Parts: sequence; C-alpha cells; structure tokens
Amino acid sequence: NAGVTQTPKFQVLKTGQSMTLQCAQDMNHEYMSWYRQDPGMGLRLIHYSVGAGITDQGEVPNGYNVSRSTTEDFPLRLLSAAPSQTSVYFCASSYSKGARAQHFGDGTRLSIL
Amino acid sequence: AQTVTQSQPEMSVQEAETVTLSCTYDTSESDYYLFWYKQPPSRQMILVIRQEAYKQQNATENRFSVNFQKAAKSFSLKISDSQLGDAAMYFCAYRSAPGGSQGNLIFGKGTKLSVKP
Repeated sequence: NAGVTQTPKFQVLKTGQSMTLQCAQDMNHEYMSWYRQDPGMGLRLIHYSVGAGITDQGEVPNGYNVSRSTTEDFPLRLLSAAPSQTSVYFCASSYSKGARAQHFGDGTRLSIL
Repeated sequence: AQTVTQSQPEMSVQEAETVTLSCTYDTSESDYYLFWYKQPPSRQMILVIRQEAYKQQNATENRFSVNFQKAAKSFSLKISDSQLGDAAMYFCAYRSAPGGSQGNLIFGKGTKLSVKP
C-alpha cells in the first residue's frame, strides 16, 4: 500500500522553465490537495480537488495549474517558473473534504534559479 | 475565515522534561477537527494527535496529550518525558467537519522544538 506518492523528490529549474509535479494515491480518495511550505509560513493551500474533473483554488494559486482526470492522479503544473516558487511542495489526500484523516506525500523540494 | 495561530516560533526542552506548545484558532463553527502534525528533518508530515470538537475529553496518544479549551479556542500540545526524537517542527491545523465551510486543512506557522540532551 503506497499511500500518496510524489515525484520527483528534488528538482532544480531555471526561471521561465515549465514543470509538472506528480502526485498519485492508491486509496481511492476523492479529495486531493497541493500545499507549499515556506520558512516561517507554515503550509499554504495552492489548489484542491474534490473528485475527478473538479478542481478549485486555494490560498496561493497564482502561477500554478492543476487538473484531475482520474481519481488517482493530481498533477501540479508550473507554467513559467519564478524564483518566488522556490519551496517545498506537499500533496495530500483524504476520503472526502472535511475528513478526519489526511495522508501526505513525502514532499518535493523545488529550487528555481 | 478560520485562522490558526502558533505564537511560539521556537521552543526548547531538556530531555525527559515536559513541554507545552500553544495553538489558538478562530472559527464560528461548532463542529471541526484540530490536529497536531510533527515534521522532522526528513520532511515527512506525521500526524501526532487529533481532537474532534464535539468531544469534551482531551485526546491522548502515549506521551502526547492536548488541552482543548473550546470556549477559549485554544488547543495546546503537551509532550511528556521528552526524547531526542521529538525534536522537530510542530504544526497545529484546523479542518471543518463534513458540511462545514472549510474542508481544507488550515495550518499555523509552526513551532520548532529543540530537545537538549
């Protein structure tokens, strides 16, 4: 049982490059979300999805796109990377929005030069 | 909108001693969940303890316990018999119960706990 799998674990990009962070879960969870973690800021919600074909914005959505074509996968796309997007990114899933338990991936450390 | 505040950016405790991490939150809802997550240097987000707002009894998990004061909107974490492995970043988080306005997790900014041998 893999839980929530994020790839890659580390990535370095140049300003202006595009990239997709992958997130997959094998628990048949309807709810998936992306957070970014910056020093002194805690975790902030970027985008979330309550099911296949349904996505919505979180607190800090600018510069990021998401889609949810299957229940299992929820990729996060950076269309034109900026140094301000240097951060650690976490994907999480749960049975539903407002569920008692949420499962986190191990995170992706992304550096934009 | 709901907010979560952790007023202690850093804390330190002697090994085997007890430490309490503070968390306050703001909400107009009556049914919600509160969480403490531990993030060691490995970066993993590990659920330490969870409290359902409708339960008056404070949650406990081995050496970890909470002091949940619903009226005061306070949710502190007590770590007893502190161990070197407890050194980590600790995050307090809020989530509405199903049907509530905020089904996403809302995090505080975290408290970095150091444990001295």
